[in-house]
Amino acid sequence: EIVLTQTPATLSLSPGERATLSCRASQSVSSNLAWYQQKPGQAPRLLIYDASNRATGIPARFSGSGSGTDFTLTISSLEPEDFAIYYCQQRNSWQFTFGPGTKVDVK
Amino acid sequence: QVLLVESGGGLVTPGGSLRLSCAASGFNLSDFYMSWIRQAPGTGLEWISYIKTGDSPVYYGDSVKGRFTISRDSANNSLYLQMNSLRAEDTAVYYCARLLRYDFWSGSYYHYQYVDVWGKGTAVAVSS
Repeated sequence: EIVLTQTPATLSLSPGERATLSCRASQSVSSNLAWYQQKPGQAPRLLIYDASNRATGIPARFSGSGSGTDFTLTISSLEPEDFAIYYCQQRNSWQFTFGPGTKVDVK
Repeated sequence: QVLLVESGGGLVTPGGSLRLSCAASGFNLSDFYMSWIRQAPGTGLEWISYIKTGDSPVYYGDSVKGRFTISRDSANNSLYLQMNSLRAEDTAVYYCARLLRYDFWSGSYYHYQYVDVWGKGTAVAVSS
């Protein structure tokens, strides 16, 4: 099973600031990685797939990069609605796995 | 409107069984890869089962293999998860999930293993 590690566990920022979230895989997943956003009491929402492709309806302030074992989700300028938990997920091989999440909260 | 609605969750004693249902609307469930994903209280996400289109094999996570069965009913446009021999560690919110599909202009498809549509989830609690 491929293990995903996300850093930091918590990121405290102010609206308008840039957020940089990391996801590292225990072995190469090529570009087979997605990012999701989850708010309290809601299901996750797909943001980025195949490392760098924005899903339908996702604002341009969200971008993804990376390949192999190291990936980054960047939110260029935080909006109030962006404070949430972010998960990465790999589909390189079954068992598909999620990272433990990074919580982005208000500083 | 594309929608997934889960039902069937509840409180069950250890060793018991539950059958979760997921009613799809706005799309033909048989044309998409589908999954069940769970989230234990206050924790992260666990992908527990995965079914492709047609008669392809299904997949289970090690934590549920041999106890849970995923199935699909085209006539009812629904997905199911039969859960047997339930344990306390199966306590979670269970999400029905549609996997992303890219439609080429030629009419062919590419199926991704990422979730583009989630249900709201149904809560399962296993306790004596």
